[in-house]
Amino acid sequence: DAGVIQSPRHEVTEMGQEVTLRCKPISGHNSLFWYRQTMMRGLELLIYFNNNVPIDDSGMPEDRFSAKMPNASFSTLKIQPSEPRDSAVYFCASSFELAGGNEQFFGPGTRLTVL
Amino acid sequence: KQEVTQIPAALSVPEGENLVLNCSFTDSAIYNLQWFRQDPGKGLTSLLLIQSSQREQTSGRLNASLDKSSGRSTLYIAASQPGDSATYLCAVPNGRGSNYKLTFGKGTLLTVNP
Repeated sequence: DAGVIQSPRHEVTEMGQEVTLRCKPISGHNSLFWYRQTMMRGLELLIYFNNNVPIDDSGMPEDRFSAKMPNASFSTLKIQPSEPRDSAVYFCASSFELAGGNEQFFGPGTRLTVL
Repeated sequence: KQEVTQIPAALSVPEGENLVLNCSFTDSAIYNLQWFRQDPGKGLTSLLLIQSSQREQTSGRLNASLDKSSGRSTLYIAASQPGDSATYLCAVPNGRGSNYKLTFGKGTLLTVNP
């Protein structure tokens, strides 16, 4: 089992550029999560998909952020246009959701730096 | 709003010591509680998941307990090793029917000295 795969691992871009982060969840998992981690705010949930459908996007900071999950094995998080305050580590996590809760498995993260 | 507090923020111990990390949460209507470790520059590794109906879970030298009514969990690490050095995070769903939206504590930075 390869675990959750994210790409790229590091991204450095200039303000105003479009950034696309990619995630491949663990095979068989039906839930996918995008998180952002910063020193100031810790880990924050951005968006949650269940069976490829966005269920909760209340954590998406603003319209510059968008996420898609076209199929069960792929998701993207896009920032357009990017700003320096978007610099953070972005994690993707997946789980197999049960009625009583689920265990979330995290990818290695993408460290984004916006200059 | 669920709030998660972890004490201590940092802990340094000599190799071989048994230690306890603490986690408290304000909303006890949770489905489960999950402990993670995070190594510098890396992602989170799930250590243990305790369902709300359980009192504890064990994995190797790790034992996590859950007292839902008092809003507390502890992670016990036996015979600590330098390889245990990492940041340990606890997380709970936001409560009130949510089983997915995790609220994380700020973590305990553990250093085990050889």
